[in-house]
Amino acid sequence: AQTVTQSQPEMSVQEAETVTLSCTYDTSESNYYLFWYKQPPSRQMILVIRQEAYKQQNATENRFSVNFQKAAKSFSLKISDSQLGDTAMYFCALTARGSEKLVFGKGTKLTVNP
Amino acid sequence: DTGVSQDPRHKITKRGQNVTFRCDPISEHNRLYWYRQTLGQGPEFLTYFQNEAQLEKSRLLSDRFSAERPKGSFSTLEIQRTEQGDSAMYLCASSQTPGQGPFATNEKLFFGSGTQLSVL
Repeated sequence: AQTVTQSQPEMSVQEAETVTLSCTYDTSESNYYLFWYKQPPSRQMILVIRQEAYKQQNATENRFSVNFQKAAKSFSLKISDSQLGDTAMYFCALTARGSEKLVFGKGTKLTVNP
Repeated sequence: DTGVSQDPRHKITKRGQNVTFRCDPISEHNRLYWYRQTLGQGPEFLTYFQNEAQLEKSRLLSDRFSAERPKGSFSTLEIQRTEQGDSAMYLCASSQTPGQGPFATNEKLFFGSGTQLSVL
């Protein structure tokens, strides 16, 4: 079974500052993918960033980057220069290679304060 | 490309009634997925289609649930004899995916805004 744990139900950050959201996971698969999704009040899930487990280099997408620690099964998301539009629920997700299913964590509610 | 659309946005029903939701994926997307999201939880996989074929169903999808994608375009999710535990948001997603699956090829899943079901 695959599990994803997000231990921070809520976080807040001041605009322009940096925040890190935590995620740990468990899987017996050797090939898998990790994701961070954003769900704003509009409810539409939007892909933020993706990491392939066989790649050692941490993924980055503009202001978003991850710290992927494979041995520790940790996958944190760093948001730099936080913007008001970053306010949303953030979900960490995992899938095994070849699977069609995403396994999501419970989410972290991020509030960016002006 | 108008995105994935879901209808209705909200549905309130009484216990025991049947409800049906519709999902229109991005045109030409061959894969379509249904997820369920309960309050305070992340989405959970229910089922997926490749074109019109339903290829996988979660154990979460009891006999009261049925999903169809008759012509490989839009999909419907029906819940019969609704129960209060069915109250959740039902999310649809689609992707244009070759044989290996969306995640292997870095294809994106595009999600709709969901149908929020409340069973009284």
